[in-house]
Amino acid sequence: NAGVMQNPRHLVRRRGQEARLRCSPMKGHSHVYWYRQLPEEGLKFMVYLQKENIIDESGMPKERFSAEFPKEGPSILRIQQVVRGDSAAYFCASSPQGLNNSPLHFGNGTRLTVT
Amino acid sequence: QQQVKQSPQSLIVQKGGIPIINCAYENTAFDYFPWYQQFPGKGPALLIAIRPDVSEKKEGRFTISFNKSAKQFSLHIMDSQPGDSATYFCAARGVTGGGNKLTFGTGTQLKVEL
Repeated sequence: NAGVMQNPRHLVRRRGQEARLRCSPMKGHSHVYWYRQLPEEGLKFMVYLQKENIIDESGMPKERFSAEFPKEGPSILRIQQVVRGDSAAYFCASSPQGLNNSPLHFGNGTRLTVT
Repeated sequence: QQQVKQSPQSLIVQKGGIPIINCAYENTAFDYFPWYQQFPGKGPALLIAIRPDVSEKKEGRFTISFNKSAKQFSLHIMDSQPGDSATYFCAARGVTGGGNKLTFGTGTQLKVEL
C-alpha cells in the first residue's frame, strides 16, 4: 500500500513563475491537507480538501495560492507569480475520514526554491 | 497566534538519557494530541498520541504525560538511541478557522550522542 506520494520532490522556480505541487493521497483516503514548513517555524496549516470540495482554506494566503482536489487525479497546490518568501517545504497529508477517527499520513514533501 | 507552544527548540542528550519535550496549548476545545517524528528529507510520521481523558500513555520507549488542568503535555524518550535523532513535533486537534485540523508546535531538534 503506497503512502502519500508528492511530486516533484524538489522544484526550482524563478520569481514570477508558477509552481504546481502534486499530491496523491493514500489509497482509500479522500481527505487531503496541505502544510507549509519553514525552518524553525514548524508546520503551518494551509488548506483542507475533500474530493472536489475545499473544507477549510483559512491558512491559505488570499492571493496567488490555490488548491484543488478533483474527482479524478491528484490534489494540486498552485502558487502563481512566486516570490522568494514562498521558498519552503510543502507537505501533503491524507486521511480516510478526516481527523475524527483516523490519523494524518504525510508525504515526503516538495521543497520549493524560488531564485 | 501560536496556539501550541513547544520547547526546547533543540536538545542534545547522551545515549541512554531521557530527553523530555514539552508543549502547552491554549484552546480548551482541542481533543487529541499526537506527536510526530521527522527525519531529514522525510515527512512527519505519527509516533504516539493521547486523548485528554488519559494522563499518561506508553508505547515502547515513548511516553506522553498529559496535564489537562495545566493544558500541558510532554514526550519522554526512555533509553534514547542515536537513531532517535530527529525533529519532534507536538500537535493538537480541534476545529479552528472552520475545519477540524492539526495545529503543530514549532518542533524540537533532538540529537542523541554516543
